[in-house]
Amino acid sequence: AQTVTQSQPEMSVQEAETVTLSCTYDTSENNYYLFWYKQPPSRQMILVIRQEAYKQQNATENRFSVNFQKAAKSFSLKISDSQLGDTAMYFCAFAKDDKIIFGKGTRLHILP
Amino acid sequence: DTGVSQDPRHKITKRGQNVTFRCDPISEHNRLYWYRQTLGQGPEFLTYFQNEAQLEKSRLLSDRFSAERPKGSFSTLEIQRTEQGDSAMYLCASSFVQVSSGNTIYFGEGSWLTVV
Repeated sequence: AQTVTQSQPEMSVQEAETVTLSCTYDTSENNYYLFWYKQPPSRQMILVIRQEAYKQQNATENRFSVNFQKAAKSFSLKISDSQLGDTAMYFCAFAKDDKIIFGKGTRLHILP
Repeated sequence: DTGVSQDPRHKITKRGQNVTFRCDPISEHNRLYWYRQTLGQGPEFLTYFQNEAQLEKSRLLSDRFSAERPKGSFSTLEIQRTEQGDSAMYLCASSFVQVSSGNTIYFGEGSWLTVV
């Protein structure tokens, strides 16, 4: 069974700093998708970034980038130049066979 | 595109009562998902539909839970004889094709259930 583990329940950083959120997963599959989702206090989950397992190049979306280490089954999210609007719960997720499996999340506070 | 909408957004009910939540997915999305999220946890998969067919149900979905998508458009999630342990946010999501192809899944804002 696939599992997703986020080892940091909560983090706080100063505005404009860089922060890295950790995620590890367990699967026997070879090809799959990984995602980071953001859930702001308004509660609607939105996609931040996605990575396909067979692509070695790390995905980047503006200030958001990932460090995907397939052999280590690690998928961390780096947020550069953090902004107050980045305050949210962040969920690492794994997709296979039409299901998305989420980690327990990391609550990120961006401090002014 | 109005996004995924859920109704009601909040529901308080007495233990033992039945509740029903409705989800309207993004139009033309043939896949619709239900997840449950409790405080401090990530969303947990409950069930999903491809058009009107319910393709998978989680063990979490006891026989008190039933989901339908009668015309392949909106969906309902009914909980019968509610228990306090059912208190959670019920999230609906939709996608155009399967998420295992990397397609984006869009979430609604959720329906909060409190059982007292």
